[in-house]
Amino acid sequence: GAGVSQTPSNKVTEKGKYVELRCDPISGHTALYWYRQSLGQGPEFLIYFQGTGAADDSGLPNDRFFAVRPEGSVSTLKIQRTERGDSAVYLCASSKGGYLNEQFFGPGTRLTVL
Amino acid sequence: AQTVTQSQPEMSVQEAETVTLSCTYDTSESDYYLFWYKQPPSRQMILVIRQEAYKQQNATENRFSVNFQKAAKSFSLKISDSQLGDAAMYFCAWGRASQGGSEKLVFGKGMKLTVNP
Repeated sequence: GAGVSQTPSNKVTEKGKYVELRCDPISGHTALYWYRQSLGQGPEFLIYFQGTGAADDSGLPNDRFFAVRPEGSVSTLKIQRTERGDSAVYLCASSKGGYLNEQFFGPGTRLTVL
Repeated sequence: AQTVTQSQPEMSVQEAETVTLSCTYDTSESDYYLFWYKQPPSRQMILVIRQEAYKQQNATENRFSVNFQKAAKSFSLKISDSQLGDAAMYFCAWGRASQGGSEKLVFGKGMKLTVNP
């Protein structure tokens, strides 16, 4: 694919349910980033991967949030026992890695927790 | 911790006119990048322009240019000859440029730009 893709585009769930959000990075990009954008705010960093390993997970708000990238390509962000405060747009980005390389963003998944 | 502040939540400009978006930041690091991203209603963040902190020369990209004042920790974006397609949310962001640290970006709250025909 030409760009970063994220599925689903929109997800509506009920409080307490489990959700998975998927990110397909640009082919060949070794770094993958997850951000969360609440209404009226800028994106807030959650976690980033270099290859298969999480290089920085300091932005994950609590242990209900978890992300994996088992083969160094596709990543899944997992949220357990969702709360209404988790409602936001979850953005994924990928890059070739390193500070010089641009992060390319996907269109995001809008998560609504009822 | 790094912070990025965009104090103007909204601005408007007439088509073909020039507009300047302001951004200030705070960091204790000496080596970093600053970015302006555009986010149209499609939600996809698009990089507009990037500035390396060690470069004194201000970055330019066609109709977009920055005024980078390192001592004042200010990073404004100037859009010349504004076009209807420039209407979007604009985010200022900070990123580390030194090895050994996180590659995460720190974003401001954003500013909504309206372009009037």
